Amino acid sequence: QVQLQESGPGLVKPSETLSLTCSVSGGSISGYYWSWIRQPPGRGLQWIGYIYYSGATSYNPSLTGRLILSVDTSKNQFSLQLSSVTAADTAVYYCARLTAYSFGSVRYHPIEYWGQGTLVTVSS
Amino acid sequence: DIVMTQSPLSLPVTPGEPASISCRSSQSLLHSSGYYYLDWYVQKPGQSPQLLIYMTSNRASGVPDRFSGSGSGTDFTLKISRVEAEDVGVYYCMQTLQTRTFGQGTKLEIK
Repeated sequence: QVQLQESGPGLVKPSETLSLTCSVSGGSISGYYWSWIRQPPGRGLQWIGYIYYSGATSYNPSLTGRLILSVDTSKNQFSLQLSSVTAADTAVYYCARLTAYSFGSVRYHPIEYWGQGTLVTVSS
Repeated sequence: DIVMTQSPLSLPVTPGEPASISCRSSQSLLHSSGYYYLDWYVQKPGQSPQLLIYMTSNRASGVPDRFSGSGSGTDFTLKISRVEAEDVGVYYCMQTLQTRTFGQGTKLEIK
């Protein structure tokens, strides 16, 4: 059973960079898409972006310019860096794995595995 | 960006009764493959979200058959044929046609 675990500072100062790592166990990081989703306190889910194990990425347009996703296949980990943070970036951050399902020639990738989430607060 | 709008935002349901959640997108979710690119997730209290339905109507592994998804174009629906107490949570639709965006969530509670 694939398990994901987020790690990183729970408190980040405004204007600094938020950095989180997701460690994957129970399976290889190779061959899959990996994603970050966040949830501000008491609010809904927001898609951050995803990265393929090869390094190809797709970012939420609203975060492009501040966001970098990376992957380290040797450590079975992937990471998020979000720069110039403000209080609006305070949220529970989830890492997740997308699973491929085939429909004829189409490959579809819903989010099948989620980490437990980690709260990151932006405050001085 | 594709905007996703769910209704209702709050849904009190008596156990054993059916429930329905609507999800509308600001543009068609029809992919060139002919499929509609929409998923449903549920976040139960204190838990991470979990996949219910993918590509409009396909139940995820382990999801009871009382859950069903349907829709086309810009209108999609999640139906629960007979609500059980364990179904309490916030239900989200998410489009996957252009990057991904979630609806604002529908909170299902037991009457």
